[in-house]
Amino acid sequence: NAGVTQTPKFQVLKTGQSMTLQCAQDMNHNSMYWYRQDPGMGLRLIYYSASEGTTDKGEVPNGYNVSRLNKREFSLRLESAAPSQTSVYFCASSEPPGYYEQYFGPGTRLTVT
Amino acid sequence: TQLLEQSPQFLSIQEGENLTVYCNSSSVFSSLQWYRQEPGEGPVLLVTVVTGGEVKKLKRLTFQFGDARKDSSLHITAAQPGDTGLYLCAGASGGGYALNFGKGTSLLVTP
Repeated sequence: NAGVTQTPKFQVLKTGQSMTLQCAQDMNHNSMYWYRQDPGMGLRLIYYSASEGTTDKGEVPNGYNVSRLNKREFSLRLESAAPSQTSVYFCASSEPPGYYEQYFGPGTRLTVT
Repeated sequence: TQLLEQSPQFLSIQEGENLTVYCNSSSVFSSLQWYRQEPGEGPVLLVTVVTGGEVKKLKRLTFQFGDARKDSSLHITAAQPGDTGLYLCAGASGGGYALNFGKGTSLLVTP
């Protein structure tokens, strides 16, 4: 039982390049989330998927797209990376209804030069 | 976005000391959670509090939810170096799936 897994763990991109961050969970959770974490800013929600087939914008969606590939997998795509997207990205999953406890992956540290 | 203010932002103490971390908001939450995050890892859930006035204990950690469900505190007794990390509070409001996270309290416990 791996929980939430993310790939890659580290990535360096040049401005304008694209990439996809992958996330998978094996807890049979319906809801999945993408956050970014920046120093002094806490965790900010980028996009979430309440259930398979649905996605919704969070607090900071600009510059990102997501795909809920199936119940297990939720990917985050940067179409044209910018230095402002340098951050640590976390994927999480949860099972509503309930108290919205979220289980996080280990994160992807992305640097855009 | 319902803001959660955490204080203090940083805390450096010696092993054996007690400490309290606060999480405050002007909004009411249906539940509030505390997470701990160690360097290079994702946050891990410590506890969820749901009822106003609720107190939960997890070994040396005591969590309290305010009567009005707008604030919470985390008290650590006899801190140990293994308690070092970033402590995050997160609030949920009814009807939504997203959590609102505070910016965290960074705790360093030195031997």
